[in-house]
Amino acid sequence: ETGVTQTPRHLVMGMTNKKSLKCEQHLGHNAMYWYKQSAKKPLELMFVYNFKEQTENNSVPSRFSPECPNSSHLFLHLHTLQPEDSALYLCASSQGPGPYSNQPQHFGDGTRLSIL
Amino acid sequence: DAKTTQPNSMESNEEEPVHLPCNHSTISGTDYIHWYRQLPSQGPEYVIHGLTSNVNNRMASLAIAEDRKSSTLILHRATLRDAAVYYCILRNNAGNMLTFGGGTRLMVKP
Repeated sequence: ETGVTQTPRHLVMGMTNKKSLKCEQHLGHNAMYWYKQSAKKPLELMFVYNFKEQTENNSVPSRFSPECPNSSHLFLHLHTLQPEDSALYLCASSQGPGPYSNQPQHFGDGTRLSIL
Repeated sequence: DAKTTQPNSMESNEEEPVHLPCNHSTISGTDYIHWYRQLPSQGPEYVIHGLTSNVNNRMASLAIAEDRKSSTLILHRATLRDAAVYYCILRNNAGNMLTFGGGTRLMVKP
């Protein structure tokens, strides 16, 4: 059983819709991540939050807007997406940077997003 | 991050050992070698990691070459549930990010 829960598991939306993906962890971790996995491409890191502060934005378009209200929750707000944004969006958590930076990342099972 | 090279796919028979290779010739002294796997319809799952010495845990063993330019993930008895994509990743001790490559798709035949 994963310690990282993502909802919804599947989402179909039109290009003009606004929706949000949710990620929750109760592992006591201080770092949370969003990744994108497109068909036949490696996982791409999108955002990193350490201690609720965004420390990495991997040149992600502004139509993706992350939010980290506390160390246990991470959201990805979606607005005016394009068909090429259809992908599996994965959330992960881990201990923060520093002496524990090599501790494993724990992944959720993702949200499968389809843009019509 | 230094890059890794893995075969695109490998096949194994059930209940036989599997050796998954990874080349990382540009590894730096502070890079740890991490392995994750991704089962169908699931997120990636941590398998094992090491720096210089060989490592064992309940899932697998990690054999690291003396010059650290390559490593091998060893599954001692493959099961059908081990069919997955296995990722070899170098992770610098200074940061907490992972950079995934294409991985090796392991197929296990009954």
